[in-house]
Amino acid sequence: QITLKESGPTVVRPTQTLTLTCTFSGFSIDTTGVAVGWIRQPPGKALEWLALIYWDDDKRYIPSLKSRITIAKDTSKNQVVLTLTGVGPVDTGTYFCAHHSFHTSEFDFWGQGTLVTVSS
Amino acid sequence: SSVLTQPPSVSVAPGMTAKITCGGSSIDTEGVHWYQQKPGQAPVMVMYYDSDRPSGIPERFSGSNSGNTATLTISGVDPGDEADYYCQVWDVGQDLPVFGGGTKLTV
Repeated sequence: QITLKESGPTVVRPTQTLTLTCTFSGFSIDTTGVAVGWIRQPPGKALEWLALIYWDDDKRYIPSLKSRITIAKDTSKNQVVLTLTGVGPVDTGTYFCAHHSFHTSEFDFWGQGTLVTVSS
Repeated sequence: SSVLTQPPSVSVAPGMTAKITCGGSSIDTEGVHWYQQKPGQAPVMVMYYDSDRPSGIPERFSGSNSGNTATLTISGVDPGDEADYYCQVWDVGQDLPVFGGGTKLTV
């Protein structure tokens, strides 16, 4: 059974760095074809994909945030970490991590999400 | 690059059929995936690769993809189907995933 859970701060000050952790079980990110992605959703708005990391450490980022965003994996801890620098109010929203298959491109299992508010 | 267009809202009476569309150039050459998101919850995949239904998703949910439009069809809609629905594809040109803007289904 695949499960994912996001964790991190609920409030971040403007210009600071946001670090979110996705802890998962039921699969290994070392397995060929496996990836974990981050998707966010501003309040009342649509889903927005942010980043992906693959089993072979290949990474993909949304072009509009590429200079501010980093994704990394810790295989031993079954975790994927997302870092977003220089946050502002537009970065407020719910952040989801999800299991993704390289071969089929869908996000088939999602975490519950974590709400992050950027506010001074 | 793929830009996916969804109607902001679709309204249907209980027991009727709802059709939610996702438009994009050459979308029929890509596998389209669909997600259902109820208020305060995480998205759930309800269809993948145009018309494959994950385990646990009722047969009332079906999908198609032809021309420039993919369609998620929900037959015999019930109030429990009221949710936001998002389509998603893999943009081959940019080599990254793209989500549609979402459709709010009102029953």
